[in-house]
Amino acid sequence: KQEVTQIPAALSVPEGENLVLNCSFTDSAIYNLQWFRQDPGKGLTSLLLIQSSQREQTSGRLNASLDKSSGRSTLYIAASQPGDSATYLCAVRPSNDYKLSFGAGTTVTVRA
Amino acid sequence: DAGITQSPRHKVTETGTPVTLRCHQTENHRYMYWYRQDPGHGLRLIHYSYGVKDTDKGEVSDGYSVSRSKTEDFLLTLESATSSQTSVYFCSISGGATGEQFFGPGTRLTVL
Repeated sequence: KQEVTQIPAALSVPEGENLVLNCSFTDSAIYNLQWFRQDPGKGLTSLLLIQSSQREQTSGRLNASLDKSSGRSTLYIAASQPGDSATYLCAVRPSNDYKLSFGAGTTVTVRA
Repeated sequence: DAGITQSPRHKVTETGTPVTLRCHQTENHRYMYWYRQDPGHGLRLIHYSYGVKDTDKGEVSDGYSVSRSKTEDFLLTLESATSSQTSVYFCSISGGATGEQFFGPGTRLTVL
């Protein structure tokens, strides 16, 4: 069974600092890995999707890397802003299934 | 944003009453999912569908049933609601070339 871990559970940084969020998974046989953002009381918004054959994906200030062999993904958010405050979830889709395994998330607070 | 709507968005009901939540998509995606999200438990899969009339149980399916008679609609039914089913329910879809998963806005259900 795929286990997905996100450490730390919470993170507080001053505005302008770069954010580094970590995701680890136990089974390297994955189809893709997806990063989501969730604001309080809202649904999940897809940020980045990395296919198993890719090493990274970028969108604006966001960059996500994938190292399947070590079972790790990292989400980088450059020059953080208070509007980046949210919970970020990592999810892995196994190569032989279509159900995602989710991490518990990292709650980020960016202080103005 | 992916075209996913959920109805109702909020509902308060009493213990023992039946409740049906509806998820509607306009993306023609094959896979649809129902999750519940609770503090301390994260996202948990209730049921999912891999095609019209094709459904299967997730990790917390007891007390829930689903139906999918059309590609675009996925219904979640609580046959006899209990207070432990008070939660936020999210519908999700995936499909297409990348298999990216998208979430609806959620339904907040309170069972008194």
